[in-house]
Amino acid sequence: GESVGLHLPTLSVQEGDNSIINCAYSNSASDYFIWYKQESGKGPQFIIDIRSNMDKRQGQRVTVLLNKTVKHLSLQIAATQPGDSAVYFCAENLGDSWGKLQFGAGTQVVVTP
Amino acid sequence: ETGVTQSPTHLIKTRGQQVTLRCSSQSGHNTVSWYQQALGQGPQFIFQYYREEENGRGNFPPRFSGLQFPNYSSELNVNALELDDSALYLCASSQAGTSSEQFFGPGTRLTVL
Repeated sequence: GESVGLHLPTLSVQEGDNSIINCAYSNSASDYFIWYKQESGKGPQFIIDIRSNMDKRQGQRVTVLLNKTVKHLSLQIAATQPGDSAVYFCAENLGDSWGKLQFGAGTQVVVTP
Repeated sequence: ETGVTQSPTHLIKTRGQQVTLRCSSQSGHNTVSWYQQALGQGPQFIFQYYREEENGRGNFPPRFSGLQFPNYSSELNVNALELDDSALYLCASSQAGTSSEQFFGPGTRLTVL
């Protein structure tokens, strides 16, 4: 079936550098995408979202890029900090109402000093 | 603070038993979604409750059932537990008709022996 997936399972980043996390999706009908951060022992935490009528959205230190042509989503984290170490998931909204999400497998981000 | 709470935090059951997990949604949220997250994987959508009725279901068998109460809190029930049901069960609340941003609780870790 159609799914959301990630290219890299683990990303090691030096503190202060920028991080880029990638995600491929296959459902061309998807119109809403979200990035979540999950720290150990906690539930996923909303980072940023983007709708299919946009190709870029910026938040505080984060930017999400959407390329509908190649069905690719990315999350950029500027000046990565130790507190950014976590698993990052992309997700797409399923169905005809909000709150039904399909998650990818996740990328572990490890920030090194 | 997301405001979504779940209980219990940890639970150990044996195969064949039944379990009930509980979730209190964030204040003002009327929709609750449940997810199953196996170790090392992304959350998988189980079902969603809105106005005390099931409002969409993922690829889970009927032995996974739920309830939503007038105060919007929710229960997830799993009958005839199997070893593969061992996972982190996440509850997320949102407000229908507004932003689809969901707030996740910390989850219940279920271990089936």
